[in-house]
Amino acid sequence: DSGVTQTPKHLITATGQRVTLRCSPRSGDLSVYWYQQSLDQGLQFLIQYYNGEERAKGNILERFSAQQFPDLHSELNLSSLELGDSALYFCASSVESRFTDTQYFGPGTRLTVL
Amino acid sequence: AQKITQTQPGMFVQEKEAVTLDCTYDTSDPSYGLFWYKQPSSGEMIFLIYQGSYDQQNATEGRYSLNFQKARKSANLVISASQLGDSAMYFCAMRERNTDKLIFGTGTRLQVFP
Repeated sequence: DSGVTQTPKHLITATGQRVTLRCSPRSGDLSVYWYQQSLDQGLQFLIQYYNGEERAKGNILERFSAQQFPDLHSELNLSSLELGDSALYFCASSVESRFTDTQYFGPGTRLTVL
Repeated sequence: AQKITQTQPGMFVQEKEAVTLDCTYDTSDPSYGLFWYKQPSSGEMIFLIYQGSYDQQNATEGRYSLNFQKARKSANLVISASQLGDSAMYFCAMRERNTDKLIFGTGTRLQVFP
C-alpha cells in the first residue's frame, strides 16, 4: 500500500458525460501528479499540482481539468467523454517537487467510456 | 528531449534465477533521476528502486539492484532469486531536473515459471 488513495476504483459511463476522479496523497506529500495509461499511448503525464498550485502540464486535453484543494487532495475532471478516453488514470504524490523525489502511485481509476 | 527505451517486450525466467531488464535513456540534462516501477496484473504501480545521476554507487533494494552505466546511458534492473510473484510489467522512468514529469518506457512483461 503506497498510502495514496484513489476513488472510485472503476467507473463506467457513456460518451458525452462528465466524471470526477478523486485522489488523496500520502500524508505530508505536497505534490500530486495525474497520469493516464492506455494501450496505445502508454503512460502519459497529464498535470501536476504543488501545494495547491498548478505546477506543470503535460498531454492534457482541454476537456480535462484538475485542481488541488487546501487539504491537498486533488480531483481530475473529465468532460465530453469520448471512447478514446477509456484508460487507467493514476494519481501519484511526492514529498516535494524535486527530480529526486520518488512518486508513489495510487491504485488507479479504471475508466470505461461506452 | 528525454526518452526512455525498453527494448524487451517480454522476458521469461525460471524461479530462483536472476534476470536483467534493460533500460536505456536519452537526456541532455546532467541532473536526472531514474526509477523502476512494477505493475502486477491487478494494475497498481509499485515503486521499486531509484538511481540519481550523481550517485556513485549502484542502487540496491533487497532483491532489486540497478546496473547504472552513465556513459552508456543505461539503467538496467536486476532481479535476483526470482519468485513467482515477480511476474508483472516493469517500467523504467526518468525525470530531469528541469522538468516536473516522469517519462516512462513502454515496459517489459516478465513471466517467472516454476
